[in-house]
Amino acid sequence: AQTVTQSQPEMSVQEAETVTLSCTYDTSESDYYLFWYKQPPSRQMILVIRQEAYKQQNATENRFSVNFQKAAKSFSLKISDSQLGDAAMYFCAYRSENQGGKLIFGQGTELSVKP
Amino acid sequence: DVKVTQSSRYLVKRTGEKVFLECVQDMDHENMFWYRQDPGLGLRLIYFSYDVKMKEKGDIPEGYSVSREKKERFSLILESASTNQTSMYLCASSFRQAVNTIYFGEGSWLTVV
Repeated sequence: AQTVTQSQPEMSVQEAETVTLSCTYDTSESDYYLFWYKQPPSRQMILVIRQEAYKQQNATENRFSVNFQKAAKSFSLKISDSQLGDAAMYFCAYRSENQGGKLIFGQGTELSVKP
Repeated sequence: DVKVTQSSRYLVKRTGEKVFLECVQDMDHENMFWYRQDPGLGLRLIYFSYDVKMKEKGDIPEGYSVSREKKERFSLILESASTNQTSMYLCASSFRQAVNTIYFGEGSWLTVV
């Protein structure tokens, strides 16, 4: 079965600095999708970034970028120029066609941003 | 904008009560999901549905059932609520293919006393 692991329950970053959140996953599939979701205190899940496994190029969305290492099954999220509004719970997630399209989540990382 | 609406944000129920959590989406999505969120455990899938009247068990279906009579509505049912079902429940929906984004509702906080 596929699993997703986030080994950092909490992280902290100074405003304007860069922080990297770690995620590893386990799968025997070759085609899948990886996601980072942000959950602020409102609890609304917001898609931050998506990576297709067949693409070698790392996805980027403004200040957010990923380091996707398919062989190592690693998918980290880098947040550059951190802002106070980035403070939230971040979830890494896996999805594939073979799993009925369901998202498999990691445990989450609580990110705090210090002014 | 895609909208996934959960009917109740906060509920308090008594042990043994039957509880209904309702979810409606307005984008004609085939897939709908119910997740439970607990601290340190992330989001765990309870049930999902890929079509009307179709359902699949997720990772933690015990104590729950679901109903999907119409495409836009997916209900989670706690037949006899217990205190260990106190949690945050999140509904989500998407088009069938895995490439598509999954959209979430705002969550329902359920407390069972």
